[in-house]
Amino acid sequence: AQSVTQLGSHVSVSEGALVLLRCNYSSSVPPYLFWYVQYPNQGLQLLLKYTSAATLVKGINGFEAEFKKSETSFHLTKPSAHMSDAAEYFCAVRENNFNKFYFGSGTKLNVKP
Amino acid sequence: GAGVSQSPSNKVTEKGKDVELRCDPISGHTALYWYRQSLGQGLEFLIYFQGNSAPDKSGLPSDRFSAERTGGSVSTLTIQRTQQEDSAVYLCASSSGRYLVDTIYFGEGSWLTVV
Repeated sequence: AQSVTQLGSHVSVSEGALVLLRCNYSSSVPPYLFWYVQYPNQGLQLLLKYTSAATLVKGINGFEAEFKKSETSFHLTKPSAHMSDAAEYFCAVRENNFNKFYFGSGTKLNVKP
Repeated sequence: GAGVSQSPSNKVTEKGKDVELRCDPISGHTALYWYRQSLGQGLEFLIYFQGNSAPDKSGLPSDRFSAERTGGSVSTLTIQRTQQEDSAVYLCASSSGRYLVDTIYFGEGSWLTVV
């Protein structure tokens, strides 16, 4: 069975500081990996996805994530946080079937001025 | 449509009443998902449709929950005899259903409050 672990339900950074949101998955095969963002009172929006074309994936709003097979990780980073990045971020994985799209429990990012 | 549309956006209902939540996926998308997001919780998978059939209903929390999809398009999630613990945001999502790498697009959700 697939599972996704996001370490840290809340992360707080200062504006301009590095953002690092952690995601680890368990899978017997390399999965498809996604990061979504949810702004307050809105639906989920795709930030980026890993499709095996490249291990470093660039997404919208300056975010990127690196797939590390040896660590079964897909951590999300942004070099410099902006106030508008405050939101909840979800990591998701999908194996070789359409049936389920597994989400982590989410990490709320707070950006301090 | 341009995006996944859900209605109602907000619903307050009395305990014991039935509710119906509607999802209109992106035109041409054959895969449709329902998730539940409770306060402070992650996303809980409820059910997946491919076309009109639901090969995976394993996430429905009880037999009070049911869902159908007609014409390969609109889906309705029905909750019978609602309980307070059903209060949550119900999210619908769709994708093309052709490739595993395809993006899943979400609607803005239906906020259900059971009083």
